Amino acid sequence: AQSVTQPDIHITVSEGASLELRCNYSYGATPYLFWYVQSPGQGLQLLLKYFSGDTLVQGIKGFEAEFKRSQSSFNLRKPSVHWSDAAEYFCAVGLYTGTASKLTFGTGTRLQVTL
Amino acid sequence: EAGVTQFPSHSVIEKGQTVTLRCDPISGHDNLYWYRRVMGKEIKFLLHFVKESKQDESGMPNNRFLAERTGGTYSTLKVQPAELEDSGVYFCASSQRQKGPREQFFGPGTRLTVL
Repeated sequence: AQSVTQPDIHITVSEGASLELRCNYSYGATPYLFWYVQSPGQGLQLLLKYFSGDTLVQGIKGFEAEFKRSQSSFNLRKPSVHWSDAAEYFCAVGLYTGTASKLTFGTGTRLQVTL
Repeated sequence: EAGVTQFPSHSVIEKGQTVTLRCDPISGHDNLYWYRRVMGKEIKFLLHFVKESKQDESGMPNNRFLAERTGGTYSTLKVQPAELEDSGVYFCASSQRQKGPREQFFGPGTRLTVL
């Protein structure tokens, strides 16, 4: 069965600093990978996704992620964090078999941004 | 285009009572999913509808949970009778019907508290 590990439960960074959120997955086949963000009072918003092709994926809000098959990782990065990036971030792997589909999520990383 | 909507946003009930959560997917989305996040844990898949049919209900915790999607539009998730461990945030998501991996669009969630 697929699984996702986000080793950092909580991260604090200063505004303007760079950010990297870690995500490791376990999946037997080619993974379909996602990063979602949940801001307070909001639903889950897709930041970016990897299905195939270029392993460096660009997303919204200046985020990017790199798929590394050898490390089973899909870490999320941002060169300069803004205070509005404070939120909870979820990594997920998608399972698609015929018409069945579902996401398996990590436990999330809560990002705090200090001014 | 309206996003996925969920009602209510919060619900507080006592153990043994019944609660019904509603989800309205994005118009035209045949796929509808329910997920749940129990406090401090990962977001977990509950079930998947394709139109009005249950495609996968492998994540439903027990028979106290009943999901319906009459007419293939909105969906309801009923918990009867509610137990303390049912507390959490219930997310609904929808996606277009297409082969292969696809983005799921999430609603804001319903926070359920069982006292």
